[in-house]
Amino acid sequence: AQSVAQPEDQVNVAEGNPLTVKCTYSVSGNPYLFWYVQYPNRGLQFLLKYITGDNLVKGSYGFEAEFNKSQTSFHLKKPSALVSDSALYFCAVRDVSGGGADGLTFGKGTHLIIQP
Amino acid sequence: NAGVTQTPKFQVLKTGQSMTLQCAQDMNHNSMYWYRQDPGMGLRLIYYSASEGTTDKGEVPNGYNVSRLNKREFSLRLESAAPSQTSVYFCASTKSGSGLKTYEQYFGPGTRLTVT
Repeated sequence: AQSVAQPEDQVNVAEGNPLTVKCTYSVSGNPYLFWYVQYPNRGLQFLLKYITGDNLVKGSYGFEAEFNKSQTSFHLKKPSALVSDSALYFCAVRDVSGGGADGLTFGKGTHLIIQP
Repeated sequence: NAGVTQTPKFQVLKTGQSMTLQCAQDMNHNSMYWYRQDPGMGLRLIYYSASEGTTDKGEVPNGYNVSRLNKREFSLRLESAAPSQTSVYFCASTKSGSGLKTYEQYFGPGTRLTVT
């Protein structure tokens, strides 16, 4: 079975500082990894994904994430946080080897709060 | 393109009542999904449809049924609503197969359901 852990319920960062939102995963085969963002009372919006290739993935709104196979991590990062980045962030995984449900397995989410 | 649309946006049911949540996508995607979002639990997969004519259970299918009406539409039915089904329900779709957009899931705006 696949799983995702987001160890922090909330991350507080001052505007202009770098931010990191942590994610670790567990799959039996190779992973497809995703980050989504959710603003209040809205659906999830796709930020970025890792499928294969370069371990550093760049996505929307200046976000990037680094795939680390040995640490089974896929942390979300941004060099300089904006107040408008404040939202709920979800990490998700799909096992490439398939089997079982075809949907994504999501972490519980991390509230990112950027303080002016 | 409207993307993924869901109706209704809000619904209040009494225990034992039934209702159907509607979802449609106009992106010609093959696969469609129903998730529920509960505080502190992330998103959990209820049912999915890998292609028109097929449906499969996800992580939490009990109390729900689905219908893939055609390639565009995927409905979720609660036959006898229970307070434990109070949640926010999201429909999503994805282009399966090969290509850069594969496995990116696009989400609807959600249906907030309260069962009293």
